[in-house]
Amino acid sequence: EPEVTQTPSHQVTQMGQEVILRCVPISNHLYFYWYRQILGQKVEFLVSFYNNEISEKSEIFDDQFSVERPDGSNFTLKIRSTKLEDSAMYFCASSEPRVRSYGYTFGSGTRLTVV
Amino acid sequence: KQEVTQIPAALSVPEGENLVLNCSFTDSAIYNLQWFRQDPGKGLTSLLLIQSSQREQTSGRLNASLDKSSGRSTLYIAASQPGDSATYLCAPERGYSTLTFGKGTMLLVSP
Repeated sequence: EPEVTQTPSHQVTQMGQEVILRCVPISNHLYFYWYRQILGQKVEFLVSFYNNEISEKSEIFDDQFSVERPDGSNFTLKIRSTKLEDSAMYFCASSEPRVRSYGYTFGSGTRLTVV
Repeated sequence: KQEVTQIPAALSVPEGENLVLNCSFTDSAIYNLQWFRQDPGKGLTSLLLIQSSQREQTSGRLNASLDKSSGRSTLYIAASQPGDSATYLCAPERGYSTLTFGKGTMLLVSP
């Protein structure tokens, strides 16, 4: 069964450093997403991406965040200057074009720890 | 703003029991609703997707129903097994865009 692949599985970074989280969505999917889950809290939407541009973003997704599809397979989330409160599990997801019959497929997540 | 509530927050049952997990949402203008399973420290595994025009979906021992007008969905698990132990998340999709998650129901099935 096709999978969404995320790397790394765990990243530790110092406060103020930049991090890039990587995702390989399912190959025929055209909609891509980032969600995050702070420990013990709900999964929260960050951003959706379609046709090489952001289609929607939440209030969490401020100027320190950016997304990019640098090539035909990867989808990245960059956090420019990490803060302690950015520590969370970050999930990438993708969905098929137009017909949403099959819903969203999520990756297994990257656990980001900011120290 | 969509709010999703899941009841109960936690549930502990002996193996073999049938159980019902409840989800309610405040904005009924949804495109579909997806149920996920999350194991501790892991990602989200899709269980069932119900489109807004459907009333229920079944997969094996799982059955999910949707009453869009009243803002409710239920996940029914038949003959529960220890391997079903996980957190179950309900997530309605607004328009063609984002999922809103509840806090989940943490299920423990004991042998």
